[in-house]
Amino acid sequence: GAVVSQHPSRVICKSGTSVKIECRSLDFQATTMFWYRQFPKQSLMLMATSNEGSKATYEQGVEKDKFLINHASLTLSTLTVTSAHPEDSSFYICSARMWTGDGYTFGSGTRLTVV
Amino acid sequence: DAKTTQPPSMDCAEGRAANLPCNHSTISGNEYVYWYRQIHSQGPQYIIHGLKNNETNEMASLIITEDRKSSTLILPHATLRDTAVYYCIVRVTNNDMRFGAGTRLTVKP
Repeated sequence: GAVVSQHPSRVICKSGTSVKIECRSLDFQATTMFWYRQFPKQSLMLMATSNEGSKATYEQGVEKDKFLINHASLTLSTLTVTSAHPEDSSFYICSARMWTGDGYTFGSGTRLTVV
Repeated sequence: DAKTTQPPSMDCAEGRAANLPCNHSTISGNEYVYWYRQIHSQGPQYIIHGLKNNETNEMASLIITEDRKSSTLILPHATLRDTAVYYCIVRVTNNDMRFGAGTRLTVKP
């Protein structure tokens, strides 16, 4: 079945630094990838949608200059949290949609802790 | 996409059927009903989806009422590993997958 690999699974960084999270579709081509954020005891909130070769579309209230998304190939999208602050600490999850059909596959998530 | 309403939490005894309801009274004709679940600190896992007819797979059954305003996800023999948050999502094909609050199902021994 379709597999999405997300890396790293956990990361701790210092306040003010940047962190990059990778999302790879392992056995299929994903024209569209999605990034979600989830705070403790809350639901997943869609942050942005990225299409291969074009600029990402951000949800209202999500700062595009802080959360940089690059979708340079059909199998890789990256989310970079720039100048991270403790309030950016969260569980970040990516999802990929297959080229054909409407199947969504989710990564296993990245727990970011900013200290 | 149509809004969904789910109970915040439910308990189920191990080995019994878990019936998780979802109301989607504003669903439109081309919107599908999807169910995902999220086990603690993991990404969501697809369970099942349907449009009008009842659906069954190796994980669960989905019962959609005739007027499509509500549905029920059935886990026929719940195990402790089925403890998770279950999300009912209604959407048109190719739209974003957006999550509501879901139902926290606790399967008890």
